[in-house]
Amino acid sequence: TQLLEQSPQFLSIQEGENLTVYCNSSSVFSSLQWYRQEPGEGPVLLVTVVTGGEVKKLKRLTFQFGDARKDSSLHITAAQPGDTGLYLCAGGDGGTSYGKLTFGQGTILTVHP
Amino acid sequence: NAGVTQTPKFQVLKTGQSMTLQCAQDMNHEYMSWYRQDPGMGLRLIHYSVGAGITDQGEVPNGYNVSRSTTEDFPLRLLSAAPSQTSVYFCASTLPPGPEFFGPGTRLTVL
Repeated sequence: TQLLEQSPQFLSIQEGENLTVYCNSSSVFSSLQWYRQEPGEGPVLLVTVVTGGEVKKLKRLTFQFGDARKDSSLHITAAQPGDTGLYLCAGGDGGTSYGKLTFGQGTILTVHP
Repeated sequence: NAGVTQTPKFQVLKTGQSMTLQCAQDMNHEYMSWYRQDPGMGLRLIHYSVGAGITDQGEVPNGYNVSRSTTEDFPLRLLSAAPSQTSVYFCASTLPPGPEFFGPGTRLTVL
């Protein structure tokens, strides 16, 4: 069974601060996805990384896939209250396992004005 | 497009009752999945399907049945509900190598 350890589980910061969320595994994944989830809604995909060492930027969010494709990080610069939510990482195997995702436990981010 | 739709949004069952959670997508996606979300545990895969007539078990399949008679629909059946099945259930669909789309969820309470 593949496991994804996500940390920290809770993060409470002030507006304007920077933060990093980590997602680690002992298993290799063919892709790593990051989702954001609002209360009462389903997860919404932010980004997919597929190449070891890959870095993707989405406005103030920077996503990185580890060289060995076992870990990933999400860095938010100058956090805003609108960034508040649950962030989830998920690993995929590709091929016929494409729809089978292994999720981390999630990080609840609260950004105070 | 409505995307992925799930019904009902909320449901309360008594132990031993059965019910079906409905999931439909109008994006012609081949792959569909069911996940449950519990506090502090992220989402865990229950069952998934790579096409009509093809289903397979995920990480936590016990107590749940699925079938996939059409591309659009992927219902999840609880045969005899237990309090341990109290959770939020999400259906998802995708067409590789595209992104995963999730439905809004069904919040189930089993008393």
